[in-house]
Amino acid sequence: GAVVSQHPSWVICKSGTSVKIECRSLDFQATTMFWYRQFPKQSLMLMATSNEGSKATYEQGVEKDKFLINHASLTLSTLTVTSAHPEDSSFYICSARLAGDPYNEQFFGPGTRLTVL
Amino acid sequence: GQSLEQPSEVTAVEGAIVQINCTYQTSGFYGLSWYQQHDGGAPTFLSYNALDGLEETGRFSSFLSRSDSYGYLLLQELQMKDSASYFCAVRSNDYKLSFGAGTTVTVRA
Repeated sequence: GAVVSQHPSWVICKSGTSVKIECRSLDFQATTMFWYRQFPKQSLMLMATSNEGSKATYEQGVEKDKFLINHASLTLSTLTVTSAHPEDSSFYICSARLAGDPYNEQFFGPGTRLTVL
Repeated sequence: GQSLEQPSEVTAVEGAIVQINCTYQTSGFYGLSWYQQHDGGAPTFLSYNALDGLEETGRFSSFLSRSDSYGYLLLQELQMKDSASYFCAVRSNDYKLSFGAGTTVTVRA
């Protein structure tokens, strides 16, 4: 159980275009999802916390108008990278937590590798 | 804010024991988690310590000392498949995780 999927697994786009990444919890309801980005050989950096039915909370330094997050249902959160530029190329990973989980485990999706040309 | 330190690399042979230390400075602490990530893959949960002491899960154990702001992950009976990056992460009061820079473990035959 507790499987999280992401789509697409990889995407290549031209500079200036927008890209949408979907994160789904397949077998549980996730009231809270998290979005991270990870550069090669580096750590996971939290971008934002996504709560179902409310606005996302962004970490300091993350542009909310550039990284649009929507959490429309208990099983789906989306991240849209608007007007993407080469410096946005990265590995984007989402995670979800089970409410009441005593181990505070976050279940991670397989990630989406974004390359902006 | 959160600040975590862990070694960048560790190399060991199959069957050996490896300890990855993690020290942290936080503005709010609710627990220390450990995650494993293979190259190009998703992080997977290994353990979580909210209270002082040792938690054992198979070949992996994790320890926490809140008074010392210190924890470690112990990998026993190392296998080739354990070659991966290991991250410690601090949980804050809103369930967010702040990750350390990661430790790359290389297991040699």
